[in-house]
Amino acid sequence: SQQGEEDPQALSIQEGENATMNCSYKTSINNLQWYRQNSGRGLVHLILIRSNEREKHSGRLRVTLDTSKKSSSLLITASRAADTASYFCATANFGNEKLTFGTGTRLTIIP
Amino acid sequence: EPEVTQTPSHQVTQMGQEVILRCVPISNHLYFYWYRQILGQKVEFLVSFYNNEISEKSEIFDDQFSVERPDGSNFTLKIRSTKLEDSAMYFCASSLWTGQETQYFGPGTRLLVL
Repeated sequence: SQQGEEDPQALSIQEGENATMNCSYKTSINNLQWYRQNSGRGLVHLILIRSNEREKHSGRLRVTLDTSKKSSSLLITASRAADTASYFCATANFGNEKLTFGTGTRLTIIP
Repeated sequence: EPEVTQTPSHQVTQMGQEVILRCVPISNHLYFYWYRQILGQKVEFLVSFYNNEISEKSEIFDDQFSVERPDGSNFTLKIRSTKLEDSAMYFCASSLWTGQETQYFGPGTRLLVL
């Protein structure tokens, strides 16, 4: 798999349920960032977790990072219709500045 | 809340024409980037810019592309001779310090090359 691959590719859940998305990567990272993209629109930054952190929270979002498994998860609790979007993880490696994006998870919240 | 802005939101051009995409990064940010997203594909890094020079670029960023910070606020991406495969959404981003920090993205310019 390529650097930054999310699974599942698509997820549909009922409003109020929790949504979990996973991201795997291949190389050592400095940090991992999660972004949201509404259809055809810009990328909205959600949360950044550094390689020496294991868990971070922001409102209804919880992100975990397991550097030994080279994976991260994004949990959205008590989902809302407005959470419908594509979610991308992006990794920043040591020594360079670019973000490498994953393929994304398309999340649909069913009212 | 400060945000990155981009103009135009949409641009249609003929193959072989030059286009300039414009961005206004967040005012106190020092690092600037361009990314692109071909429809249905991943967001891809093009170039990063710091202290008035390119600090990193990808293989995509060939001689047809150039970036410039013409004044204290604007950051531009120029494509000299557009190709059909340049059709994509182009995102500008900026970050406060090094590229290891949060990158804030603009809303994008959708470029269509005919």
